[in-house]
Amino acid sequence: DAGITQSPRHKVTETGTPVTLRCHQTENHRYMYWYRQDPGHGLRLIHYSYGVKDTDKGEVSDGYSVSRSKTEDFLLTLESATSSQTSVYFCATRGQETQYFGPGTRLLVL
Amino acid sequence: AQSVSQHNHHVILSEAASLELGCNYSYGGTVNLFWYVQYPGQHLQLLLKYFSGDPLVKGIKGFEAEFIKSKFSFNLRKPSVQWSDTAEYFCAVPKKRGSTLGRLYFGRGTQLTVWP
Repeated sequence: DAGITQSPRHKVTETGTPVTLRCHQTENHRYMYWYRQDPGHGLRLIHYSYGVKDTDKGEVSDGYSVSRSKTEDFLLTLESATSSQTSVYFCATRGQETQYFGPGTRLLVL
Repeated sequence: AQSVSQHNHHVILSEAASLELGCNYSYGGTVNLFWYVQYPGQHLQLLLKYFSGDPLVKGIKGFEAEFIKSKFSFNLRKPSVQWSDTAEYFCAVPKKRGSTLGRLYFGRGTQLTVWP
């Protein structure tokens, strides 16, 4: 698997607070993705990036923003966390036409 | 746009039983096809992939999948499952045929439980 790390790995926060999740990769992959995983829904794409400062929305982007100022880092921000954003968040990168996933961040919004 | 169907939501097998998990996608022609596995509490790992060539693809841990163009299917198989195969399995295809953005569309997953 590609060298992908995510931080934090676990987070508990309160409704209305902003939260930033970080994805870091060491493979110099151009494409990066943020997904959320919820029971019965599989993985759903939140945002993706096709280069530094180049990002676009996925299927479930409402309430989320992203930034990519360096190739290796892709940040996901929940602007004002809601209970519906309680989920497991996975970052992925794309190399050789294949996506590789990070270990995930488990987020609980109370 | 593409869609992916995994018809089996939960499969329960005894060790040594044979496994086949269904995956159907919505558009025809040659596509890139993937199976990922997620062991309990872990991230998704690539199990196998098909890009072109031999439609029977072999992956890790004894898994294989067959691309059947006429049926728009890419079913996952294993002749004899083990308790350690207990996991959730996801089929995935590119969101748009020919897209270079690499976006994948994932099926909803099949939970496999293997009893020892």
